[in-house]
Amino acid sequence: EIVMTQSPATLSVSPGEGATLSCRASQFFTSNLAWYQQKPGQTPRLLIYLASIRAPGIPARFSGSASGTEFTLTISSLQSEDFAVYYCQQYYDWPWTFGQGTKVEIK
Amino acid sequence: QVQLVQSGAELKKPGASVKVSCKASGYTFSDYYVHWVRQAPGQGLEWMGCINPSSGVSKNAQKFQGRVTWTRDTTTSTAYMEVNRLRSDDTAIYYCARLMVPGVMGAAFDIWGQGTLVTVSS
Repeated sequence: EIVMTQSPATLSVSPGEGATLSCRASQFFTSNLAWYQQKPGQTPRLLIYLASIRAPGIPARFSGSASGTEFTLTISSLQSEDFAVYYCQQYYDWPWTFGQGTKVEIK
Repeated sequence: QVQLVQSGAELKKPGASVKVSCKASGYTFSDYYVHWVRQAPGQGLEWMGCINPSSGVSKNAQKFQGRVTWTRDTTTSTAYMEVNRLRSDDTAIYYCARLMVPGVMGAAFDIWGQGTLVTVSS
């Protein structure tokens, strides 16, 4: 099973600042990674797929990248609505696995 | 519009079974795998399994082998998840989710059901 490890567990950021979230895979695979945003009491929302492609309707301040087994979600300038928990997920190999999540909170 | 609508919350006793439904609309149900993900209170997301609505073939995470069953009814565009021998640690919100790419087992989940809270308590 591919283990996805996200860091940090919690990120404290001031509105308007940028944020960088990391997701490391236990083995190499290419591109089959998604990022989701989940707000309290809501269902997860797809932000990024194939590691770097924004889903329809997702603002340009969200971007994804990959380098080896390291995947990164960058939020360029946090808006109030961006404070949430973010999960990465690999769909390269069964069983599909999620990271444990990074909570982005207001500093 | 494309949506998945799940059945309502359930309260079950340990050892009982629960069956959760996920009704699809706005797209051709048979074209897209339906996956199931659960989230225990205050915890992260856990992939459970999936079903190909066209063939009925399913695949699940090893930990659920033998205890969870995936079925579908193509006449009503509904997928089902049944969990047997419920335990207290099965208490969670259960989500169904559709892949964004038709005809493949693995892709990102672009459409999610609203979630079904299953509480297991004596």
